[in-house]
Amino acid sequence: SQTIHQWPATLVQPVGSPLSLECTVEGTSNPNLYWYRQAAGRGLQLLFYSVGIGQISSEVPQNLSASRPQDRQFILSSKKLLLSDSGFYLCAWTLGLTSSTDTQYFGPGTRLTVL
Amino acid sequence: DAKTTQPNSMESNEEEPVHLPCNHSTISGTDYIHWYRQLPSQGPEYVIHGLTSNVNNRMASLAIAEDRKSSTLILHRATLRDAAVYYCILRDGSNTGNQFYFGTGTSLTVIP
Repeated sequence: SQTIHQWPATLVQPVGSPLSLECTVEGTSNPNLYWYRQAAGRGLQLLFYSVGIGQISSEVPQNLSASRPQDRQFILSSKKLLLSDSGFYLCAWTLGLTSSTDTQYFGPGTRLTVL
Repeated sequence: DAKTTQPNSMESNEEEPVHLPCNHSTISGTDYIHWYRQLPSQGPEYVIHGLTSNVNNRMASLAIAEDRKSSTLILHRATLRDAAVYYCILRDGSNTGNQFYFGTGTSLTVIP
């Protein structure tokens, strides 16, 4: 069976510090991978998605970046965090089937607080 | 992706049926209707999806209007564990588009 891992679970960082969040998927090959952010009391905002190693599509221009160094590894980074970067960060994967039937599976999330 | 509109919040009594509405008046003929739910402090989970016909699974039922401009997620007997935010999203079945766009969803409160 497939599982998705995210770490850390919680993180408190000062403004201006760097960020690295990691997501890994087990039990599948060549998944589509996604990063979302959810601000407190808000909906999910799609940040990045990737259909393969080294292939990153950005949805929202900001001070965040994403990388996919391995097939089942997805990393979210920032060089300098802003207060507005606080939120619940979720990684997700799909099999990359036709969009009509593809189901998205989410990780446990990382709660980031920028002070 | 076409837009969906849902009420911000709803309440239901425990063990009563719940009907969660979703409007998608600009839906295209190839769009599938998907529902996800997000329990507190967790990532969303898939609930159900359909195209034209009503669908049933172990979690819920999906009723789709004949003109497909609206749909309703039905929880047959609400439990306290069903308290969550429910998202209705459209997925274009005509291509392998990769994006999933979640709105703000409906926050369901289940009253004991």
